[in-house]
Amino acid sequence: DAGVTQSPTHLIKTRGQHVTLRCSPISGHKSVSWYQQVLGQGPQFIFQYYEKEERGRGNFPDRFSARQFPNYSSELNVNALLLGDSALYLCASSFVLQAGGQGANVLTFGAGSRLTVL
Amino acid sequence: GNSVTQMEGPVTLSEEAFLTINCTYTATGYPSLFWYVQYPGEGLQLLLKATKADDKGSNKGFEATYRKETTSFHLEKGSVQVSDSAVYFCALHGGSQGNLIFGKGTKLSVKP
Repeated sequence: DAGVTQSPTHLIKTRGQHVTLRCSPISGHKSVSWYQQVLGQGPQFIFQYYEKEERGRGNFPDRFSARQFPNYSSELNVNALLLGDSALYLCASSFVLQAGGQGANVLTFGAGSRLTVL
Repeated sequence: GNSVTQMEGPVTLSEEAFLTINCTYTATGYPSLFWYVQYPGEGLQLLLKATKADDKGSNKGFEATYRKETTSFHLEKGSVQVSDSAVYFCALHGGSQGNLIFGKGTKLSVKP
């Protein structure tokens, strides 16, 4: 069974450009989350989608946007790239919406898309 | 707000040494706690989890016990191997958006 797949694996952009990152969740998973991992830091939450609706958003500027498609795959878009956007972008999927509390559903992460902004 | 604090790395050990990576958390309520591992060039893999106080998560020889009284979830392994070299992240499930909150990670290097 395929895990969470992300594309592209690596990409280089210049400041001011736009980037689109793609994620395919595990079959049957309806929730997709996006995290940003800057070098040397832990992942930071960007977005969560469930059943094609945004269900959560972290502390990121409006340059960051995302969507989820009817087949539950997802795209993360970043406009007007800055040097500080250089990071590993991780997608994670789960069967249900992460409601918090005990017995939390486990997130399964993809290998990530490494973005370098020059 | 909720947060996770991990011991600073890097940690360098010889093969078969005992490993402890400290993790403490600040949270309202009783969030689920996790350890994730990231091997070089890869994404995150769930190592173990605990969902309530006094639970012990275990996997591949690693263990961690959810300690409510000390708000800790320290990772331990009795005998590390070179293949355990990776970055280890402690995380809690309790962000305001129902998201995971991660520590900064601890890099472990195991020498033969």
